[in-house]
Amino acid sequence: ETGVTQTPRHLVMGMTNKKSLKCEQHLGHNAMYWYKQSAKKPLELMFVYNFKEQTENNSVPSRFSPECPNSSHLFLHLHTLQPEDSALYLCASSQPSASRTSYQYFGPGTRLTVT
Amino acid sequence: EDKVVQSPLSLVVHEGDTVTLNCSYEVTNFRSLLWYKQEKKAPTFLFMLTSSGIEKKSGRLSSILDKKELFSILNITATQTGDSAVYLCAAPEISGTYKYIFGTGTRLKVLA
Repeated sequence: ETGVTQTPRHLVMGMTNKKSLKCEQHLGHNAMYWYKQSAKKPLELMFVYNFKEQTENNSVPSRFSPECPNSSHLFLHLHTLQPEDSALYLCASSQPSASRTSYQYFGPGTRLTVT
Repeated sequence: EDKVVQSPLSLVVHEGDTVTLNCSYEVTNFRSLLWYKQEKKAPTFLFMLTSSGIEKKSGRLSSILDKKELFSILNITATQTGDSAVYLCAAPEISGTYKYIFGTGTRLKVLA
């Protein structure tokens, strides 16, 4: 069991649905991340939040909308997705340090299937 | 542009073999390099390397960093089927975004 939890673990949704992914970290970290991982492809960074402020949006389509109400919670709101958005969505957290000697803790991921 | 490159992309070995996975990097103001193991879902942290020439070791896994030649290796001795996974290498960017640059990973399959 890691200090980062994600719900739901599996999600099947139609292209016209609206759903949200939730991530919670219990580690006291101040940075949170969303990654997308398609089958047998590398991790793709989507968003970075640092102290609740978005510091990176890696050219993600607007059908993905992140929300970070506080340093412990991160959401990814999904609407009108495409089948190619089917992937494993991973949340991670880290404690930002000026020395850049911290590492990320990952959640178990949400396996999303868009039909 | 900062980048992390891993090789080989995939590797198939038999139980008991020793494997060496490679990670090279070009990162502005480099500070640390990380190794993760990803089986089915979440990557799990293995090592963080900050100094050249100092080996980090955990059981059959070990890793070392060469800051002059800008690479790191991950060694696994006496491989077992449970070592089958994707091994990821990453380095934090020095920009204010606190993001990490990941390599594409090496997919290791260990046959019984």
